[in-house]
Order: sequence, then C-alpha cells, then structure tokens
Amino acid sequence: SQELEQSPQSLIVQEGKNLTINCTSSKTLYGLYWYKQKYGEGLIFLMMLQKGGEEKSHEKITAKLDEKKQQSSLHITASQPSHAGIYLCGADFRAGAQKLVFGQGTRLTINP
Amino acid sequence: EAQVTQNPRYLITVTGKKLTVTCSQNMNHEYMSWYRQDPGLGLRQIYYSMNVEVTDKGDVPEGYKVSRKEKRNFPLILESPSPNQTSLYFCASSLSPAHGYTFGSGTRLTVV
Repeated sequence: SQELEQSPQSLIVQEGKNLTINCTSSKTLYGLYWYKQKYGEGLIFLMMLQKGGEEKSHEKITAKLDEKKQQSSLHITASQPSHAGIYLCGADFRAGAQKLVFGQGTRLTINP
Repeated sequence: EAQVTQNPRYLITVTGKKLTVTCSQNMNHEYMSWYRQDPGLGLRQIYYSMNVEVTDKGDVPEGYKVSRKEKRNFPLILESPSPNQTSLYFCASSLSPAHGYTFGSGTRLTVV
C-alpha cells in the first residue's frame, strides 16, 4: 500500500479558478514537502511543512499541514497556465530520515 | 547558480553495457541521493550518501552501485544494465532534510 496518497490523480481547471490538491499519510509525518514537476523534467521545491497546523504561502500557492501531521493540502488561487504540471508531495517520517517517500503525483492542467 | 547537475540527460544503451550517470552539486551539501521515477510506481530511492565515503541502500538498490569519493560528486553506476532499469533517474542533494532537497533535471535511460 502507498504510504502517501495524493488526490486527485489528475485535475483540469479553467484558468482563474481555485483548486486544492491533497496528500494523506498512513502515519504521522516528520516533514512534508511539496514539489512541482514539468513532464519529464526535474522537481522544483515549493515548500516544506514540519509543524502541526503550519501554513506557508508562496505567491498564489498555499500549503497547510494538519494538526495531526498526517494530511497536507496545496491550494492554488486564481490558477494560471504557468501552474500546470505535476505536483508531488514527499515526506520523511522521522528526524534524521535519509529518504523522502513520495506520493504518486497530481497532474494539473489549466485550460484557458 | 546553486544546482545539481546530472549527465547525460538522455541515454540509450544495450543490455549488459556498463554505464555511469554523473551527479554533481555546487552547494557543499553533505547529503546526496538517487531516485528513479516510473509510471505507476512514483519516485523510489535507490541509494543515498550522508557524507564522503558513507553510502547506504535505499528501497531499490539491486543492479546499481554508487560511490562518494568527494563531497560534490555522487555517480550512479549500472554494471550490467537490463531493460527493467529503463527509467527516469534523479539525483538530489540537501544540506539537511530540514532545508529541503534540490533535485537535478533528470536522466532518461533506455536499456534495449
């Protein structure tokens, strides 16, 4: 079974609309990372969340980690074509962990 | 510019012909790691290194070797590539997990 589940797997929204991507863990996280990937290219680091209830924003993207540290959401406000890509959540489950476990990704398409 | 550089970006090779994918980072990061990305399986860690001369297996190490003789370089070696090693490979580095991971642009390997 997958340690990190992302939903939805794919998402098509009209330009200007808001959207949310979810990442759910089967156990308590130590750190939660959000990345964006253009198809077949490298991963671009967006944000890292570590504290229960933490929320971070970068431009029109906001990420939150729930109090129990098992679920995170990524919210995009007023989506633009530049937001299109694959969004990946990654997590480590203990301090000093030397790997990230990744979700399957959410493919976001923005229609003009 | 701070970055992780992988070479080559694309490689087609034949079964059994030894190859090396290079990875270099210019951020003086101690931690480096290799991942492979496959459809339906997501990103999985192959090997990681916490510092020079310190390497350890990730989730899918079979068929791969690594070395860390100097801090900036972490090559991935396939001694006898097989078709099931056809994949998109990413190298990543980090100062520490709390600082996030910087990924390279990826190497798309095809073994025929």
